[in-house]
Amino acid sequence: QKEVEQDPGPLSVPEGAIVSLNCTYSNSAFQYFMWYRQYSRKGPELLMYTYSSGNKEDGRFTAQVDKSSKYISLFIRDSQPSDSATYLCAMTPTGANSKLTFGKGITLSVRP
Amino acid sequence: DAGITQSPRHKVTETGTPVTLRCHQTENHRYMYWYRQDPGHGLRLIHYSYGVKDTDKGEVSDGYSVSRSKTEDFLLTLESATSSQTSVYFCAISVAGGEYNEQFFGPGTRLTVL
Repeated sequence: QKEVEQDPGPLSVPEGAIVSLNCTYSNSAFQYFMWYRQYSRKGPELLMYTYSSGNKEDGRFTAQVDKSSKYISLFIRDSQPSDSATYLCAMTPTGANSKLTFGKGITLSVRP
Repeated sequence: DAGITQSPRHKVTETGTPVTLRCHQTENHRYMYWYRQDPGHGLRLIHYSYGVKDTDKGEVSDGYSVSRSKTEDFLLTLESATSSQTSVYFCAISVAGGEYNEQFFGPGTRLTVL
């Protein structure tokens, strides 16, 4: 079993839809959970991070972590064509020296 | 963009030739990383560095070597390129002083080995 599993996609939704992106993981040592967004032919950029369990909201984006189920989600409300990108989850144990483990990424397309 | 540049941005080479990719940062961050990104595999760590002349292997280090003689530069070398090393290579830096390993990525180098 991979340490981090991410829905493979691709995912296509109409503009205005609510999008749910998910990852599961197996390593209980993971404490920080991140979502990166990657536009075509660009480097990944950090979108949001969450520490331990709970929700975090930033505009139209909500990150949710359920450590008991080892499950994380990213919700996008009122999706826009500009949200079309690949989304990667990443996670790491506590500590500035620890390495990130990434999901494979899911490509989202928001249709006008 | 955390002041990270990568060169070259695109390269086509032939099997068996040596290739060196360069990552340059302008902010003296201690930690630097090389990843490759392939369809179906996501981002995989090749090598990383935690200081000048201090490097270590990641999960897919076979066929790659790295060097860091200055804080600002981290070089990735393919001693004898193979077609399986066709990929997009990303450099990343880690910002020290945070609670966790917050990484910022460069723009990537697209390498094709024929």
